[in-house]
Amino acid sequence: DARVTQTPRHKVTEMGQEVTMRCQPILGHNTVFWYRQTMMQGLELLAYFRNRAPLDDSGMPKDRFSAEMPDATLATLKIQPSEPRDSAVYFCASGLPIAPISYNEQFFGPGTRLTVL
Amino acid sequence: DAKTTQPPSMDCAEGRAANLPCNHSTISGNEYVYWYRQIHSQGPQYIIHGLKNNETNEMASLIITEDRKSSTLILPHATLRDTAVYYCIVRVGRGGSNYKLTFGKGTLLTVNP
Repeated sequence: DARVTQTPRHKVTEMGQEVTMRCQPILGHNTVFWYRQTMMQGLELLAYFRNRAPLDDSGMPKDRFSAEMPDATLATLKIQPSEPRDSAVYFCASGLPIAPISYNEQFFGPGTRLTVL
Repeated sequence: DAKTTQPPSMDCAEGRAANLPCNHSTISGNEYVYWYRQIHSQGPQYIIHGLKNNETNEMASLIITEDRKSSTLILPHATLRDTAVYYCIVRVGRGGSNYKLTFGKGTLLTVNP
C-alpha cells in the first residue's frame, strides 16, 4: 500500500532552534507539496515541486523557511530560526498529474506536529 | 480558482445518507469540483471529483447541478468513521501551476450512533 511518509511525527523545540521535517513521496510521483495547518488559518499551501524543481513557494516565509528536494525520494522543509507562531501541523502530499486528464488527486502524509516553545 | 461556500457543520445518523452541499456560483467552464475529507489528526484524503456529469465511486457520489453553480456530495450509508471535515474545492483541472489545492474551512460532518 503506497503511502506518503513524514518524519518526525511530532517535534517539540525551543524558539530559535532549527527544525527539519522530511517527507518521502509515493514512489513514482513527481509532484510534492508542503501544507501547513493551524486552527486560525486552516490548511495553507507553502510550496510545491515538480520533478524536484520548485514551482511555487509564494506561501512560504522566505526569511526563515526553505524547502528542497535533494532527490526524487526525499523532500525537506526547514525552519531556521523557529518561532512560536510556526507551531502547526505540516503536511506533505504527492501526486502525479496526468495531462490532459483532470485526474489530479493528491496523497497526503500523516503530518508533522510542530510545537515551538 | 472559484470560491466555494459550505455549511460549517452537519449531523447525520449512522446508516443514513449524508448529503453535503457546496455552492460555487462563480465556477468557470474549465473548473472541476473536487472533494477531500480530513479525519481528525490525519492528512486530507481525496474522495471524488467531477466536471459536469454526476460521478460515483466506492466512497461517494457527486451530484453537480446543470448550471454547475452548486454540487452535493453524498455518502450513501454514513458510518461513524465518516466523521470528518469535508472540503469542496473548485479548480482548473490542468496541471502546471494550477495543480495546487486551495482549502476553505469545509464542513464538519458528525455521524451519530
